[in-house]
Amino acid sequence: DGGITQSPKYLFRKEGQNVTLSCEQNLNHDAMYWYRQDPGQGLRLIYYSQIVNDFQKGDIAEGYSVSREKKESFPLTVTSAQKNPTAFYLCASPGRVKGAPVYFGEGSWLTVV
Amino acid sequence: AQTVTQSQPEMSVQEAETVTLSCTYDTSESDYYLFWYKQPPSRQMILVIRQEAYKQQNATENRFSVNFQKAAKSFSLKISDSQLGDAAMYFCAYRSADNNNDMRFGAGTRLTVKP
Repeated sequence: DGGITQSPKYLFRKEGQNVTLSCEQNLNHDAMYWYRQDPGQGLRLIYYSQIVNDFQKGDIAEGYSVSREKKESFPLTVTSAQKNPTAFYLCASPGRVKGAPVYFGEGSWLTVV
Repeated sequence: AQTVTQSQPEMSVQEAETVTLSCTYDTSESDYYLFWYKQPPSRQMILVIRQEAYKQQNATENRFSVNFQKAAKSFSLKISDSQLGDAAMYFCAYRSADNNNDMRFGAGTRLTVKP
């Protein structure tokens, strides 16, 4: 079945470390998104990519970086510059058909220790 | 930019009763799509219902229905015969028809279902 796979589901980061969250999709979608969700809060857009080798900053891009070398993959790196990275991270991809729903991965929990 | 507002951070409903979650949005576009997503404690995002702006008829999916008021830019979700499994965070979302990759979410409403 087609879908979005995020890994790892749980990740612990030490202060000063960079960590990378993986997002892979086999839906043949062009666009991919990264959202951050803090406990009890909504979704905030970090970065999005509409096509391979292109991406744009979302509302809270500071302290994060992404790459889009392949259509299927959109990894998110949480850098040491992100002062409060503990959160739930969701990868998503909107359907290609006009008005199609957005598909989501199962998310990754990142905790700073 | 399009904004989506959910004015009710939390709602509660008695099991078997009906509850309505509110959503308003701001847009200058005439063609767009609206969605309600459910996020249970597992955090998996689940599509509940979808509405196309050009369709006057309100969408319905089993116990879930919407009241879409285009002129008022309002898109509320009604859950009938509430069940314990309906307890979740609910997000209203807007997707542009002109820019297929432009999608915005509201801040969410946490629904509690009391037995």
